[in-house]
Amino acid sequence: DTGVSQNPRHKITKRGQNVTFRCDPISEHNRLYWYRQTLGQGPEFLTYFQNEAQLEKSRLLSDRFSAERPKGSFSTLEIQRTEQGDSAMYLCASSFIGLTYEQYFGPGTRLTVT
Amino acid sequence: GQQLNQSPQSMFIQEGEDVSMNCTSSSIFNTWLWYKQDPGEGPVLLIALYKAGELTSNGRLTAQFGITRKDSFLNISASIPSDVGIYFCAGRVGSGGSNYKLTFGKGTLLTVNP
Repeated sequence: DTGVSQNPRHKITKRGQNVTFRCDPISEHNRLYWYRQTLGQGPEFLTYFQNEAQLEKSRLLSDRFSAERPKGSFSTLEIQRTEQGDSAMYLCASSFIGLTYEQYFGPGTRLTVT
Repeated sequence: GQQLNQSPQSMFIQEGEDVSMNCTSSSIFNTWLWYKQDPGEGPVLLIALYKAGELTSNGRLTAQFGITRKDSFLNISASIPSDVGIYFCAGRVGSGGSNYKLTFGKGTLLTVNP
């Protein structure tokens, strides 16, 4: 199995710009999660999908954030009108409902908003 | 958002020493997980615990699920330089595939002096 992949690994953008990140989960994993991690903190849950359905969104996910998983495979996370407070590592994880269901994380996308 | 209380925040040890770290919560969790994160990378799953009182090993790592279900411990024996990194505990309220959201501690930064 190849692991979870995320692109880009790093993104620097100016305040007010829109950015989009992509996550490709482990093949056949039907659950996909997005987390945000700021410096010195553990990851914080943002949202998750089961197949193509988005089943929960955290309060952290303001209306400037939108996530999609159109075909139940890869997912995108878009941030509109970025703010400096959006600077963080955005982590994607996937899991499979079955014998093993733990979450396996990708390498993350480091966003810096200047 | 809610986070677990993880201690110590950092540890500086000599190669060959044993290490202990712990995680506590005011809420009950039905699954405890331990992850390791290297700089610029995503967390890697080390150990998963599913039953109160459970003691599980993975090589030189041993973790325990506290009897009260409000705490967990991780021990590393005979540390080596590649053990350097940030160790995170994570808790999940649900069991099996019925729940999903992980709550993370702030991490323990481990430095091993060769």
